[in-house]
Amino acid sequence: AQTVTQSQPEMSVQEAETVTLSCTYDTSESDYYLFWYKQPPSRQMILVIRQEAYKQQNATENRFSVNFQKAAKSFSLKISDSQLGDAAMYFCAYRSGANSKLTFGKGITLSVRP
Amino acid sequence: ETGVTQTPRHLVMGMTNKKSLKCEQHLGHNAMYWYKQSAKKPLELMFVYNFKEQTENNSVPSRFSPECPNSSHLFLHLHTLQPEDSALYLCASSLSSGNTIYFGEGSWLTVV
Repeated sequence: AQTVTQSQPEMSVQEAETVTLSCTYDTSESDYYLFWYKQPPSRQMILVIRQEAYKQQNATENRFSVNFQKAAKSFSLKISDSQLGDAAMYFCAYRSGANSKLTFGKGITLSVRP
Repeated sequence: ETGVTQTPRHLVMGMTNKKSLKCEQHLGHNAMYWYKQSAKKPLELMFVYNFKEQTENNSVPSRFSPECPNSSHLFLHLHTLQPEDSALYLCASSLSSGNTIYFGEGSWLTVV
């Protein structure tokens, strides 16, 4: 079974600074997808970024980028130029290429200091 | 506006009540999901429907009964719930052949 581990329960970053959120996963599959979702206080689960395992290039979406280390099964999220609106809970998630099931980590609460 | 709409957003029910949660997606997707989010637990997948057919039931108690009349609508019928069932219930949808799942805003359920 696949597992997703987010070992840091909380992190804090100064506004305009950069922060990296860690995620590791365990799988025996070769075809899969990885995601970072953001859940603000409204509890809406918002897709931040996704990465296909077959792609070597790290995904980037504006201020958000990932460091995908397939051999190490590591998938960290970097947020550059942090903004107050980035404060939320962030979930790392894994989806097998064979089915539509998403497996989530426990999440990390990110606070942004003004 | 996410394309996935859940109602009601908040629900308080007694343990003997019968109520339903509703989810509607406007994204042209053909797969729909129910997830449960409790305090101190990771999100748990409950049910998956593909083209109206249930393809996964993650050992969910029978007091939760899903219904998917078409690819755009998904219900979760609730009956004889327990206080520990109080949680945020998230509906989501995707293309069956796609790799990204989109979520609704959730329905907060409190069982008293």
